[in-house]
Amino acid sequence: SYELTQPPSVSVSPGQTASITCSGDKLGDRYAYWYQQRPGQSPVLLIFQDNKRPSGIPERFSGSNSGNTATLTISGTQTMDEADYYCQAWDSNTAAVFGTGTKVTVL
Amino acid sequence: EVQLLESGGGLIQPGGSLRLSCAASGFPFSNYAMGWVRQAPGKGLEWVSEIIGSGGGTYYADAVRGRFTISRDNSKNTLYLQMDSLRAEDTAVYYCAKDAGDWSPAFLDYWGQGILVTVSS
Repeated sequence: SYELTQPPSVSVSPGQTASITCSGDKLGDRYAYWYQQRPGQSPVLLIFQDNKRPSGIPERFSGSNSGNTATLTISGTQTMDEADYYCQAWDSNTAAVFGTGTKVTVL
Repeated sequence: EVQLLESGGGLIQPGGSLRLSCAASGFPFSNYAMGWVRQAPGKGLEWVSEIIGSGGGTYYADAVRGRFTISRDNSKNTLYLQMDSLRAEDTAVYYCAKDAGDWSPAFLDYWGQGILVTVSS
């Protein structure tokens, strides 16, 4: 089955840039999606179709996807961005897969 | 405003059955695929199942295929997840989510608040 691997944790200082990677075999050949989950809350869609932001998502969140890696970038990170982040893709259009998740700490 | 409200969770013994419901409002329910995602305590997200808008196509994770059945009643704007032969490893918060696609799943753009299912004797 298809697997998506993320680093368990990323630390970033306020105002700096955080990059979260998501690795999977030929991930660049399919769309990648990103979700944010703040503690005790439901997930929220951040990025769809590799690099598109839903309405209401701040411009500091951006995405890219090429080769075997998708990347979520948070520019000018704020303390409110402290959360868990998950990538997601479809496996042969038959089942969705979430990444292992990355905890972002802003300190 | 899109609203998704799950119900039907609780404590169930291993081997038992449970049916989750998700009441949807704020969008044309039959026009969109819907799905279930779960999260075991302290763990990451796990995709469970999805169903297209018409109900004619369903998708399942390997971990639940053959034990769980997803369905929908478009006349009641309600999504269901019938869970049979439950195991301890099915213990999780189950989220109902709206998909942005209609005839084919795409991505989950709105999520419910989740409901806890605990499988234990």
